[in-house]
Amino acid sequence: SAVISQKPSRDICQRGTSLTIQCQVDSQVTMMFWYRQQPGQSLTLIATANQGSEATYESGFVIDKFPISRPNLTFSTLTVSNMSPEDSSIYLCSVVVGDDGYTFGSGTRLTVV
Amino acid sequence: AQSVTQPDIHITVSEGASLELRCNYSYGATPYLFWYVQSPGQGLQLLLKYFSGDTLVQGIKGFEAEFKRSQSSFNLRKPSVHWSDAAEYFCAVGAGGYNKLIFGAGTRLAVHP
Repeated sequence: SAVISQKPSRDICQRGTSLTIQCQVDSQVTMMFWYRQQPGQSLTLIATANQGSEATYESGFVIDKFPISRPNLTFSTLTVSNMSPEDSSIYLCSVVVGDDGYTFGSGTRLTVV
Repeated sequence: AQSVTQPDIHITVSEGASLELRCNYSYGATPYLFWYVQSPGQGLQLLLKYFSGDTLVQGIKGFEAEFKRSQSSFNLRKPSVHWSDAAEYFCAVGAGGYNKLIFGAGTRLAVHP
């Protein structure tokens, strides 16, 4: 199965600032997925990132708030922009490799103060 | 639209007792089904998955799940629970290929010594 390195593992940020989360995969993948897990909640898909094209955002998520880059087949970033305390969550990236199903990064625990 | 229901928000069992976590899904075709476990402060770990074939699926850590198409269910079972099994368990459904996963709300498992 794929191995995902996600950085940073956690951060505490001031409201109004932005944080960029990085996701590095040890194999080439077509799609990368970004999820949000709010405190005590399940996972919600933010967007799907394809290499060489615009990310596809789910209802309730917009590019201005969560810009995504996908410069190559092993790397992606998610930026949480103009943060507010409501953005405090765990953010996870995920990939599908072959028949292994979906592998998840260890997550970025974000606290906005 | 796809959806996943985990009816039990919180379950408590005694160590050594058997366990069954319920999962019902809604999907128009044959779904791809997954169970993930999330320990406190950790990322998601895949326990098992069902794509096709034998409806009884064996996973890691002694877990198994049974796909029942007639009941739209994919319940997770373990014959004897260990204290280290205390965690949050998520059922998820996917459309296959490189499509997104839809997660249930999760079931938090507590294990009494």
